[in-house]
Amino acid sequence: EVQLVETGGGLIQPGGSLRLSCAVSGFSVNDNYMSWVRQAPGKGLEWVSTLYTGGNTYYAGSVKGRFTISRDNSKNTLFLQMNSLRADDTAVYYCARTRHGTTGMYFDYWGPGTLVTVSS
Amino acid sequence: QSVLTQPPSVSGAPGQRVIISCTGSISNVGAGYDIHWYQQLPGTAPKLLIYGNSNRPSGVPDRFSGSKSGTSASLAISGLQAEDEADYYCQSYDTSLSGYVFGTGTKVTVL
Repeated sequence: EVQLVETGGGLIQPGGSLRLSCAVSGFSVNDNYMSWVRQAPGKGLEWVSTLYTGGNTYYAGSVKGRFTISRDNSKNTLFLQMNSLRADDTAVYYCARTRHGTTGMYFDYWGPGTLVTVSS
Repeated sequence: QSVLTQPPSVSGAPGQRVIISCTGSISNVGAGYDIHWYQQLPGTAPKLLIYGNSNRPSGVPDRFSGSKSGTSASLAISGLQAEDEADYYCQSYDTSLSGYVFGTGTKVTVL
């Protein structure tokens, strides 16, 4: 059974750092593209970052230079290191397995999400 | 600000058919990138509903169907049921943003 579980969210002051984890079971993070998607309270979905199997990483403009996506194959876990956090980073963060083809990518399995609140 | 525009809400009586539009541009849908659809029930994570414009993952009822034409796409829900009350999002890739984009989202209400 495929399962993704995010942890690491919480209340953090502006300018602070937080690392999110996504523990995966049922497939290997090393053999799949993996992504983070976020949703601000009462708002829509926003793509944050994707990690390719080969190690290439991609980021939304709003987080580039502040967030870093990575994985630990031995723990089958995906991470999102978030630095210089701002109030507008407040959101539920979802990790998702990412399927890819010649005409785009989509997210077929999602975790339940973890809430990050940036506030003083 | 999303580059994929959806109506904020649609509604229908049980058993009716509703259609949700997703309007893009030449930098995303019109550039040939696929549209994918997600259903988000209240308080839960999104769930993949349609991928590659018109394909249903295993377990998704055939009441849900997708199509794409030009710079727009549509999700149709036939035989509307109370359990279909949710938010629906389209998603694609945008070349001008060099990233993946979601639609503005549509809330479906079953009357």
